[in-house]
Amino acid sequence: EAGVAQSPRYKIIEKRQSVAFWCNPISGHATLYWYQQILGQGPKLLIQFQNNGVVDDSQLPKDRFSAERLKGVDSTLKIQPAKLEDSAVYLCASSADPYYGYTFGSGTRLTVV
Amino acid sequence: QKEVEQNSGPLSVPEGAIASLNCTYSDRGSQSFFWYRQYSGKSPELIMFIYSNGDKEDGRFTAQLNKASQYVSLLIRDSQPSDSATYLCAFGSSNTGKLIFGQGTTLQVKP
Repeated sequence: EAGVAQSPRYKIIEKRQSVAFWCNPISGHATLYWYQQILGQGPKLLIQFQNNGVVDDSQLPKDRFSAERLKGVDSTLKIQPAKLEDSAVYLCASSADPYYGYTFGSGTRLTVV
Repeated sequence: QKEVEQNSGPLSVPEGAIASLNCTYSDRGSQSFFWYRQYSGKSPELIMFIYSNGDKEDGRFTAQLNKASQYVSLLIRDSQPSDSATYLCAFGSSNTGKLIFGQGTTLQVKP
């Protein structure tokens, strides 16, 4: 079974620029998550999708972050404009049933300078 | 009160010893509990999950759950240097099923 694919692996941008991350979940997984992990901290959920719909985006900074999941498969997460404090690893995960946990992709390490 | 609390460590144990990692959580309605391992620069990988009170063993790993005390632990027997990593505790939210993670405990196994 292919894993969760993410790109790019690394991204360096200047503050106030925009950036987008892409995620392709495991085939057949209805639930997709975007997490933010700041160095030294645990992952924090930004947004949870169930198929096309948003289940939870309560911790997504909506003034600068946006996310979509097209046709219930691939997803993109965008930051516009970026701030220094957005420097983190952005992890995508997917699950067939969250009760059994989920699988993470390799992540995108974002550095905002 | 944090939703998930873990001692950030580092926890240092000699090779061959038992490593004990602890976690408390706030959501009394949660039904699912997980331990993820994260090597430096890598993404978290699921190593154990537990749903019922008591112990669950998988190889050198044992997860322990006490819902009344809202406490979950992970024991690693015969610790190896390759076990050196950050261990993340997580529970499934009773509302949405999302996983809520602790900050992680860094384990160092010294040869």
